[in-house]
Order: sequence, then C-alpha cells, then structure tokens
Amino acid sequence: SAVISQKPSRDICQRGTSLTIQCQVDSQVTMMFWYRQQPGQSLTLIATANQGSEATYESGFVIDKFPISRPNLTFSTLTVSNMSPEDSSIYLCSVEWMDTEAFFGQGTRLTVV
Amino acid sequence: AQTVTQSQPEMSVQEAETVTLSCTYDTSENNYYLFWYKQPPSRQMILVIRQEAYKQQNATENRFSVNFQKAAKSFSLKISDSQLGDTAMYFCAFMKQVGKTGANNLFFGTGTRLTVIP
Repeated sequence: SAVISQKPSRDICQRGTSLTIQCQVDSQVTMMFWYRQQPGQSLTLIATANQGSEATYESGFVIDKFPISRPNLTFSTLTVSNMSPEDSSIYLCSVEWMDTEAFFGQGTRLTVV
Repeated sequence: AQTVTQSQPEMSVQEAETVTLSCTYDTSENNYYLFWYKQPPSRQMILVIRQEAYKQQNATENRFSVNFQKAAKSFSLKISDSQLGDTAMYFCAFMKQVGKTGANNLFFGTGTRLTVIP
C-alpha cells in the first residue's frame, strides 16, 4: 500500500486569495489524482497529474483556477486560486496503486470567508 | 459512461447487529474493480474491501463482506457485528481497468451515512 501525507489538514481563507495543498507519497507512483468533495456530497475528480506532463482536467475544472504541479513521482500540489465561498470543500489527493486500487490522503478542509 | 448508484442516503443499525448497504452500477466494461470506502468524520477515505469483476467469489475482510452480482451489476456491502467505530459515510466506487497508457479513474456513488447505535 501507499501512505499519503496531505497538508494542510484544514484552513480558513479570505476570498480572493489562493491556497496551495501539498500531497506527499511514500512510494513512487505514476498517477496522482485530485478530488473535490463539497459539503455532504460525493467525490468529484478535478484532474489527473502525471509526472512530467501537464495535468488533465475534468469537465468544469480549468488550469487557471486549479493549477497543479507534479515535479516528481512522490509529490504533487493543487492550488485553489482566487477563492470564493463556493470553493469551500474538502480536497483530497489520491494515488493509483498497482493499477488496481487507490489510496487517499487525509483531506484538506477549506473554508472561504 | 460509468455510473454508481447508492439508493440509501442514511442507515442505522444497532451495535452488534448486521447491516447491508446497497450499490448498483452501470458500465459496458467487462474488466473492472469495485470498492467500498469508509469516510469517518476525520475525512480520511479508508479502503474497506475490494472486488475484481473477473472473480466470482465474493470478497471478505473480517466483518465486512460483499455480495457481487455481475449480471445484475449489484455490489452490496454487509457489515456483521456492527461496532461504534463503523459509524461513517460509506462510498461505493467503480474503477475501470485502463491500460498502462491511461489513467484509472474511480467513479463514486453518492454515499450512505451509517450510524451505529449503542
């Protein structure tokens, strides 16, 4: 299995500012995924990050709003830019493991005021 | 497109009793994986159990077992001897088996909030 450390665990941010969420994995992995979980909702995939290439964004998510970095096989960041209260959610990173399952970070609870 | 449906938004069970959570899915894929994830208030998504579609035998993990009906596209989770620590949101998820060049994506249901009553 893979152990994923995600930081920060929670934050309260002012609207118009940006927050960068970090995800560190204890093993080298090909694919990393970023999800958003709005209050009381299920998980929605934001983007897939593959090391050495630009992230692939799902419909409804754009790079200007959610820039992603993937500098190596164990680390990724997601930035939530120009935040508004609608961005208040839990953000989770996930890794693909052995092509057959996924493990998740602890999640970041973001509140925008 | 893959869809995952959990028709029970909330359920409750008495401690030490058995409860079954329902999940159905729709796919045209033949090879895929199904999962149940648990999300307690801590937000951590914890893998509970995993089933490969090509296996007819139902997966079991201690008190957790599944009833996998491939033809019916049904994947229910049975929790036996429920414990207070089982209180959480439970998400059913589908992963299509994509080749090495593609990304494996998880498709989640809307979740079932399970409360274990002392």
